[in-house]
Amino acid sequence: GAVVSQHPSRVICKSGTSVKIECRSLDFQATTMFWYRQFPKKSLMLMATSNEGSKATYEQGVEKDKFLINHASLTLSTLTVTSAHPEDSSFYICSARVKWGADWEQFFGPGTRLTVL
Amino acid sequence: LAKTTQPISMDSYEGQEVNITCSHNNIATNDYITWYQQFPSQGPRFIIQGYKTKVTNEVASLFIPADRKSSTLSLPRVSLSDTAVYYCLVGEGSSNTGKLIFGQGTTLQVKP
Repeated sequence: GAVVSQHPSRVICKSGTSVKIECRSLDFQATTMFWYRQFPKKSLMLMATSNEGSKATYEQGVEKDKFLINHASLTLSTLTVTSAHPEDSSFYICSARVKWGADWEQFFGPGTRLTVL
Repeated sequence: LAKTTQPISMDSYEGQEVNITCSHNNIATNDYITWYQQFPSQGPRFIIQGYKTKVTNEVASLFIPADRKSSTLSLPRVSLSDTAVYYCLVGEGSSNTGKLIFGQGTTLQVKP
């Protein structure tokens, strides 16, 4: 399958700072990427849909000014957690959607563990 | 988006076959059924996808009855390394949005 990478894999920051997480599709182009958040022992929660060249679409309850998404190219989407607070500590996962053969498939990144002190 | 219902947890022993059933009563005509596996602190990994009847690959089989309101993931001869959370999702295919809404998943514990 296709490979999606995330950087960094782990980040620790102080409360009030901003953190940027990158999501890259390594061997394919993805017009659509998705960002999820996962708390310990919980399921993945979809945060937003990132479309190349247009504004992201946020799920209900997700603050767009808090979680800035930029999909600047067909292989890169970034999520910036602005003014992070301890409650933003979570596991952030991105995925990229691609036409794989006759079907659409989503490939997930390895995740980024954010810890806000 | 179709909602899915799975057992919260299952236990098995090494070498056994494990079947995890998922209900998706509101599946749409264009929806596919996809199963993902997730280990702790990792992103989900694609296992198998199907639309109807039976699909088999090198790691699992997916059984889908004619009404498509449920599906069963079958893992043959599980090992300790199959201990993970398994998610059943409905969507993709020709869906315009491609959004995947994860349910609670099934935590499979394989014992020696």
